Formats: sequence, structure tokens, C-alpha cells
Amino acid sequence: EAQVTQNPRYLITVTGKKLTVTCSQNMNHEYMSWYRQDPGLGLRQIYYSMNVEVTDKGDVPEGYKVSRKEKRNFPLILESPSPNQTSLYFCASSLLRGNSPLHFGNGTRLTVT
Amino acid sequence: DAKTTQPNSMESNEEEPVHLPCNHSTISGTDYIHWYRQLPSQGPEYVIHGLTSNVNNRMASLAIAEDRKSSTLILHRATLRDAAVYYCILLYNNNDMRFGAGTRLTVKP
Repeated sequence: EAQVTQNPRYLITVTGKKLTVTCSQNMNHEYMSWYRQDPGLGLRQIYYSMNVEVTDKGDVPEGYKVSRKEKRNFPLILESPSPNQTSLYFCASSLLRGNSPLHFGNGTRLTVT
Repeated sequence: DAKTTQPNSMESNEEEPVHLPCNHSTISGTDYIHWYRQLPSQGPEYVIHGLTSNVNNRMASLAIAEDRKSSTLILHRATLRDAAVYYCILLYNNNDMRFGAGTRLTVKP
């Protein structure tokens, strides 16, 4: 089944403790992206990648890192999480053209205390 | 800022058609118009997309204005399961995908 898989679904951590949220897709998509969703602010793009070893900042990249060493994986790294990074995170992927739909994962709800 | 404008909320009665509008006055010739919806506690899911011509699929229809500055997502018979937030976005080469707040659709039985 074609899908985008995020792990974990839920994560509670403390300020400053490094964490990684994984994202994997099995559709051979070039494009992958991370979004965060907060009440009243909609979906905001954190980072995106147009292919292996190519990553770019989205609208809200501060406090996050990403890497794209393999086409299928695009982990989101929080080196020193802070409470303002408490949010719902979504990973998405697609083929790299405008007529290709975005496929989203089921989300990771992160709480930083 | 998102390149599209949508009403914050809309209501519909079950079994009736719903027309969800989207304005995109700054659309360029190569932008595709995409619609997604997000059900409670789920990630957004693809609904439909188009470039210039109206489009139909099993989920919905997309009507695109002749000047492409607006579009309308049409749900032909709303069901309770269609209650969601609907997002209209423009896609070209996938490096500027900004989602607005979307339209929250409420379906009344």
C-alpha cells in the first residue's frame, strides 16, 4: 500500500532533550516536506526536500533540522526542543511536479514540557 | 502568506450539494489548483486538482473560472463524513506550498 509513515504518533519529552521524528514513504517520491499545525495557524511548512541531499527552509525552520540521505526517508530533528515546539507535525511527499498530489502521514503529536 | 483565500467556515445540510469557493487572484499560468481535506485527528488527504478545465472524480468536482482567478470545490451530496477542513492550494514545482487556514465545513443531519 502506498503510504507515508511517521513515527512516533505521540511523543512527550522535556525541554532540551534531543529527539527525532521519522518519516518514510514507499512511492519513490522526489519531494518530501514537514509541516507543523497549530490551532488558528493552519499548516506551516518547516523544511522541504526536492531530492536526496537537497533540503530547503520553509516558513518556520527555526529550531529544526532535517536530512535526506535516502530518497524514502526524511527525518525531522529537534536538537534542543522547547515548549513552543509543542505541536502536531505532518510529513508529506509527492512526485516533483505540480499535477502530482501530496500524500500526508497521519501526524505526530509532540508535547515539550 | 498563502496565495489562496477561502471562507473560514461553511454549513451544509446532509444530502445537499456544497460549493466551497477559493480565490487565487495571483495564480500564474503554470500553477495547478489542488484541494485537500483534513478530517478530525487525521492528516490532510488529497481531493482533486486541475489546471484549466473542470475536473470530476469519485469524491468531488472542481469548477475553475475562465480567468483561473477562482475555483469552486463541489460536493454533490454532502454526508456527515464530509465534515472537515478543506484547503485550496496552488502547486507548481512543489517548493512553495503554503496552506491557508482552509474552510471548516459543518454538515447538519
